[in-house]
Amino acid sequence: DVKVTQSSRYLVKRTGEKVFLECVQDMDHENMFWYRQDPGLGLRLIYFSYDVKMKEKGDIPEGYSVSREKKERFSLILESASTNQTSMYLCASGLQNTEAFFGQGTRLTVV
Amino acid sequence: SQQGEEDPQALSIQEGENATMNCSYKTSINNLQWYRQNSGRGLVHLILIRSNEREKHSGRLRVTLDTSKKSSSLLITASRAADTASYFCATDPLTSNTGKLIFGQGTTLQVKP
Repeated sequence: DVKVTQSSRYLVKRTGEKVFLECVQDMDHENMFWYRQDPGLGLRLIYFSYDVKMKEKGDIPEGYSVSREKKERFSLILESASTNQTSMYLCASGLQNTEAFFGQGTRLTVV
Repeated sequence: SQQGEEDPQALSIQEGENATMNCSYKTSINNLQWYRQNSGRGLVHLILIRSNEREKHSGRLRVTLDTSKKSSSLLITASRAADTASYFCATDPLTSNTGKLIFGQGTTLQVKP
């Protein structure tokens, strides 16, 4: 079975902290995604990576950066966490033109 | 801006009834996918329909795609309480060429026993 693992299920951080959310997949997928999910807004794409070191901005990249140094790992970085970044963060991976596989999500609270 | 928009936002039905959810999108696509999410969990893929397909079935699920109207529908037949979840459509835009997936806002389905 494909496994997409997010490093934390719940996370509490302070305003201004640098936050790293890690995601690892074990199926050699080219594509990896970071979404945030907020009530009433569905899933919004933050960043997308289609290969090692390759990235594309999604709809809401402001305040975030990403890193993909190895194919299996895609990191989301909040440079200076703010309260409006409190959300559920979902990582996914997949091949082009096929289904995506999701991790269980990280619920981040910024206080 | 989100590519897909689901309708209705919320749906409540009795067990045994059929549930229909609709998705509209804005730009041409490679494929359209439907996902399910149980409360507080990650999403699970249900079905993928390619732009040259019009209908697909998987168990109690039936998906249609109308590229001329840029819309899709998901039908769940003979619903069960266990079908209670949020359902999302996602599109792979033709302009992307890399497999980017854009999700809609979702439909929350409640199936009452």
